[in-house]
Amino acid sequence: DGGITQSPKYLFRKEGQNVTLSCEQNLNHDAMYWYRQDPGQGLRLIYYSQIVNDFQKGDIAEGYSVSREKKESFPLTVTSAQKNPTAFYLCASSTPDRYTGELFFGEGSRLTVL
Amino acid sequence: GQSLEQPSEVTAVEGAIVQINCTYQTSGFYGLSWYQQHDGGAPTFLSYNALDGLEETGRFSSFLSRSDSYGYLLLQELQMKDSASYFCAVREDSGAGSYQLTFGKGTKLSVIP
Repeated sequence: DGGITQSPKYLFRKEGQNVTLSCEQNLNHDAMYWYRQDPGQGLRLIYYSQIVNDFQKGDIAEGYSVSREKKESFPLTVTSAQKNPTAFYLCASSTPDRYTGELFFGEGSRLTVL
Repeated sequence: GQSLEQPSEVTAVEGAIVQINCTYQTSGFYGLSWYQQHDGGAPTFLSYNALDGLEETGRFSSFLSRSDSYGYLLLQELQMKDSASYFCAVREDSGAGSYQLTFGKGTKLSVIP
């Protein structure tokens, strides 16, 4: 079955540590996205990529980094520079077509900083 | 920049009809999407409107007026399982041939017996 796999589902981190969240898709989609969701809030765009080896900052990119070395993979690193990293992180993919509004989401990774 | 406004909470009775409105301000607008998210889960796609008018998919319908920068999601024959958060999202041109999807803060729908 095609879909998006995020791992780990739950992650605990000490302050000052970097952590990398995995996102893999087998939908053959060119575009991939990372969103952050805080309790009772909407989704805020961190980074997105429309093609391999290229990515753009979203609205809240500070303290995060990404890479897109393969079409299937778009890992997100939460660095120690991110002041408030505890949140629910969602990865998504889509065709890059401007005329589609459908994103396919993974099940999310819940990061807690201790 | 961009902004989307939708009510934070709505309560409706099982079997009734509810409308969730969304207004937006953005440049490079291509279309308006709606997503459903149950507590603890991932958002799931409901609909996308690129043109003015009403799109119907089963019990759910979505409307767009580009001239008014306004859209709504209409849920009919409400069921308890429809209790969830609903997000509107705009597909917009972010420059240099890139297109992103920007989400509103969501409307929490509670369906009561």
